[in-house]
Amino acid sequence: DIQMTQSPSSVSASVGDRVTITCRASQGISSWLAWYQQKPGKAPELLIYAASSLQSGVPSRFSGSGSGTDFTLTISSLQPEDFATYYCQQANSFPPRWTFGQGTKVEI
Amino acid sequence: QVQLQQSGPGLVKPSQTLSLTCAISGDSVSSNNAAWNWIRQSPSRGLEWLGRTYYRSKWSNDYAVSVKSRITINPDTSKNQFSLQLNSVTPEDTAVYYCARDGGYYSFQHWGQGTLVTVSS
Repeated sequence: DIQMTQSPSSVSASVGDRVTITCRASQGISSWLAWYQQKPGKAPELLIYAASSLQSGVPSRFSGSGSGTDFTLTISSLQPEDFATYYCQQANSFPPRWTFGQGTKVEI
Repeated sequence: QVQLQQSGPGLVKPSQTLSLTCAISGDSVSSNNAAWNWIRQSPSRGLEWLGRTYYRSKWSNDYAVSVKSRITINPDTSKNQFSLQLNSVTPEDTAVYYCARDGGYYSFQHWGQGTLVTVSS
């Protein structure tokens, strides 16, 4: 299976900060990457698909970039509601062997 | 607006079968452009995709290698829902289980509310 490694595991930030989270795949996955936000006790919510496509309804302060093995999720100006855990997910393998990163917690 | 509502027991004994159901509203389990997935989350394994069912002129399934010998995902067109069965469970199967509908580029766009399933005697 393709391994997804996120860094950092946690980040401390303040409202208004620019936050960048990195996801690295163990082999090339083209642009088959999604990003999710998860708050405690809730299901993950889709933010980005196809590495850089913003899901409908997601604020424009979220953006994704990258292709191949290295990907980035950027929050341009952190808002109070953005404190959560973020996960990447690869969808390159067929038949499906889709895998997630271990998560990055964004803390105050 | 797609909504997924999960149901099923929260406690299963070791060696028994875990069974969960995901009821769909706002979409059809028989849709030709949707796939219906089960995903679980635990502190030890993180988020883990388990499998999916989908209809493209016929029904098909894909399963994760880690559970392939123990898992069945079935659609129920009469009730517009799909189900998860995981056999021979052990405490390592303790997790929050989610159903999910796919989105663009095989992402997961719509999620159920999650069900904590504990495997314990």
